[in-house]
Amino acid sequence: DQQVKQNSPSLSVQEGRISILNCDYTNSMFDYFLWYKKYPAEGPTFLISISSIKDKNEDGRFTVFLNKSAKHLSLHIVPSQPGDSAVYFCAASYNTNAGKSTFGDGTTLTVKP
Amino acid sequence: NAGVMQNPRHLVRRRGQEARLRCSPMKGHSHVYWYRQLPEEGLKFMVYLQKENIIDESGMPKERFSAEFPKEGPSILRIQQVVRGDSAAYFCASSSSGAPQVTQYFGPGTRLTVL
Repeated sequence: DQQVKQNSPSLSVQEGRISILNCDYTNSMFDYFLWYKKYPAEGPTFLISISSIKDKNEDGRFTVFLNKSAKHLSLHIVPSQPGDSAVYFCAASYNTNAGKSTFGDGTTLTVKP
Repeated sequence: NAGVMQNPRHLVRRRGQEARLRCSPMKGHSHVYWYRQLPEEGLKFMVYLQKENIIDESGMPKERFSAEFPKEGPSILRIQQVVRGDSAAYFCASSSSGAPQVTQYFGPGTRLTVL
């Protein structure tokens, strides 16, 4: 039973446009959500997070939206840049789980110049 | 400030051998997490350790796998009698606290290949 799902294995967008990456979860206990970016042969790098008490968090070109009733979150990248091309992982955790994160399978984003 | 270090970066073992993966957390971090990534999949939690203690090993296979984080030195993930299915990338992450809001910093991973 996969508790965090990223249903789109890949996404291709044009430079300057918006990239929207989606993530769904099933465990109602999750109360903290994170996005990581990963380049080949490197470890994941933390990008942005959101607590379940919020529905939006913004950091520069990156915005994460959380819809608790739909158990859905999304990452928006505006404007997209070729350097954003990477695998993006959605992850979730909850307070009593001491930082242990459950990851989705990732979405490969390609930003074309 | 050096990041999370993992070595070796690549490890090749034959079936039945032992694999030892090392992780040196960021300076000042006493919380270490190990994750495994199979091809085309996300990272799967294996074990969470805090200096000299295993806090959560719910993701560790019951047999052949063990982990430690001694008072001095790196954290070690040990896989005995490796099988082909153990071939994966193993990532270690560290943080200054076990709270989920505290950023975990990942190392570059060790890619284990079992022949």
